[in-house]
Amino acid sequence: GAGVSQTPSNKVTEKGKYVELRCDPISGHTALYWYRQSLGQGPEFLIYFQGTGAADDSGLPNDRFFAVRPEGSVSTLKIQRTERGDSAVYLCASSLDRDNEQFFGPGTRLTVL
Amino acid sequence: DAKTTQPTSMDCAEGRAANLPCNHSTISGNEYVYWYRQIHSQGPQYIIHGLKNNETNEMASLIITEDRKSSTLILPHATLRDTAVYYCIVRVYNAGNMLTFGGGTRLMVKP
Repeated sequence: GAGVSQTPSNKVTEKGKYVELRCDPISGHTALYWYRQSLGQGPEFLIYFQGTGAADDSGLPNDRFFAVRPEGSVSTLKIQRTERGDSAVYLCASSLDRDNEQFFGPGTRLTVL
Repeated sequence: DAKTTQPTSMDCAEGRAANLPCNHSTISGNEYVYWYRQIHSQGPQYIIHGLKNNETNEMASLIITEDRKSSTLILPHATLRDTAVYYCIVRVYNAGNMLTFGGGTRLMVKP
């Protein structure tokens, strides 16, 4: 079946602009995670959804970052007033429920000029 | 979650077994050991996990020491496609929490 998909695969924006990154989890997966990966480092947790609600948003770096999952399926990560330091690969993962292994998407590479 | 320590890089000859070590000396009783790998330009991929017994699946074997302070991931017959960064992670089960990735081990399988 289809895996986790993320769009766009690449996004180039200018400093100060607003961006939205989309994640389509595996159908039926109730848990959804966002991570951010900088060059040469392991992924860092941002936020975790169980269903429609954000169960843990402790990894969001500041209030410019926000994520939603209104119908418990697709999720959107929103970044306001982007900064050059936001440049990274943003990864989405889903799991059948909170206890199962996480399946990752290919990521969105965000470049802020 | 407890921290893990892994070698930065390792080489392995194609067809040979790759043994990737991980130290997790502060692991708690309710924490499992998970292994993921990340092939270049792809998202991480789940490999295997275990609590205290050795585990085996179609991808790999996981050997956990009796005191649970360290573990070894074994790829029995490494291929060039196994070249990747391998992450050892300890995580509380039944808590729905995130994966905490360290630096991982960069495994290079050579012909």
